[in-house]
Amino acid sequence: ETGVTQSPTHLIKTRGQQVTLRCSSQSGHNTVSWYQQALGQGPQFIFQYYREEENGRGNFPPRFSGLQFPNYSSELNVNALELDDSALYLCASSFTGSRREAFFGQGTRLTVV
Amino acid sequence: SQQGEEDPQALSIQEGENATMNCSYKTSINNLQWYRQNSGRGLVHLILIRSNEREKHSGRLRVTLDTSKKSSSLLITASRAADTASYFCATDANTGNQFYFGTGTSLTVIP
Repeated sequence: ETGVTQSPTHLIKTRGQQVTLRCSSQSGHNTVSWYQQALGQGPQFIFQYYREEENGRGNFPPRFSGLQFPNYSSELNVNALELDDSALYLCASSFTGSRREAFFGQGTRLTVV
Repeated sequence: SQQGEEDPQALSIQEGENATMNCSYKTSINNLQWYRQNSGRGLVHLILIRSNEREKHSGRLRVTLDTSKKSSSLLITASRAADTASYFCATDANTGNQFYFGTGTSLTVIP
């Protein structure tokens, strides 16, 4: 177990709706990153938060937004859901420092219908 | 766009054999990591190799890194059925802990 927990594990939403996914980081980690993994593909970087500020963003539209809280837990929000948003969403926590290993949660499987 | 690409896309071997997977990437890196993923669930960190290292071992895993060729390999020795999974390499591309993954190698170990 990595100590990174995500909720919910599965979710079904309708196109146009909004969704919030949650992640609790591993104790001692101050950085959280979110990834989207479509079926049969590798994870794609969405964005990263460090000390509650966005610290880098991948090629995702503004309807993908996030938050990091003082306890380093995090949320990923997606507005105006599209069918192509169906994917496994992974949260990774790490400590910004020399080691840079990132530990992933089990993911949230989002299906948009 | 994804930084890394794994090769082969799929690999099937008998239990006890060795499995070798390769990863190529495009830009300079601080380090490269290998992850395992079972059945579309979370990624499990296997090993990290820094850009100034050439080889690293962890149990039955051996990773090499050739920065001149921008490539890495993961060797799993004496494979077991439980090693059946998808394997991904991830690079950080000097942008903090933001990793770029390839499309993965799907390994099947036949008992």
